[in-house]
Amino acid sequence: GAVVSQHPSWVICKSGTSVKIECRSLDFQATTMFWYRQFPKQSLMLMATSNEGSKATYEQGVEKDKFLINHASLTLSTLTVTSAHPEDSSFYICSARDSAVSTDTQYFGPGTRLTVL
Amino acid sequence: DAKTTQPPSMDCAEGRAANLPCNHSTISGNEYVYWYRQIHSQGPQYIIHGLKNNETNEMASLIITEDRKSSTLILPHATLRDTAVYYCIAYALIQGAQKLVFGQGTRLTINP
Repeated sequence: GAVVSQHPSWVICKSGTSVKIECRSLDFQATTMFWYRQFPKQSLMLMATSNEGSKATYEQGVEKDKFLINHASLTLSTLTVTSAHPEDSSFYICSARDSAVSTDTQYFGPGTRLTVL
Repeated sequence: DAKTTQPPSMDCAEGRAANLPCNHSTISGNEYVYWYRQIHSQGPQYIIHGLKNNETNEMASLIITEDRKSSTLILPHATLRDTAVYYCIAYALIQGAQKLVFGQGTRLTINP
């Protein structure tokens, strides 16, 4: 199956700093990538849809100025958590849609655990 | 996307078949049934999907009722590594509007 990677796998930062998370599709091109957040014992919550070469589409309640998304190439999307605070501590997961496959299956990265002190 | 209903938890003995049900009574004709699973502290893993016909791959089988209002994911010989949360999602392949919406899923525990 298609492989999606994320970097870093975990990060600890101080409150007020910014953190960038990378999502890469390794063996396929992805015109669309998605960013999710998951808090302990909860399900995945979609944050935004990232489209290559255009602005991301954010879900209701997600601050676009706080969670900056850049999708500059067909294999890379980045999520930057700006001025992170402890309440931003969470498990961030990306997925990429294999647009070359007719069934449009999404494949997920392994996730990035962010801890803000 | 159609709402899906799954039991919150299930147990299964190692080596037995695990049958995970999903109700999607409001599913529309263009919505596929997708199954993913999430092992603790990992990203979701794609398992299988189908529209009307039953499907089988190296991981599992998907049985969809004729009226498409429910489906069952079958893990034929469950192992301890199959312990995970399993998500059933009804998903329409509409250009420009594809969003997977995750419910609470079924927490499957495989017991030795």
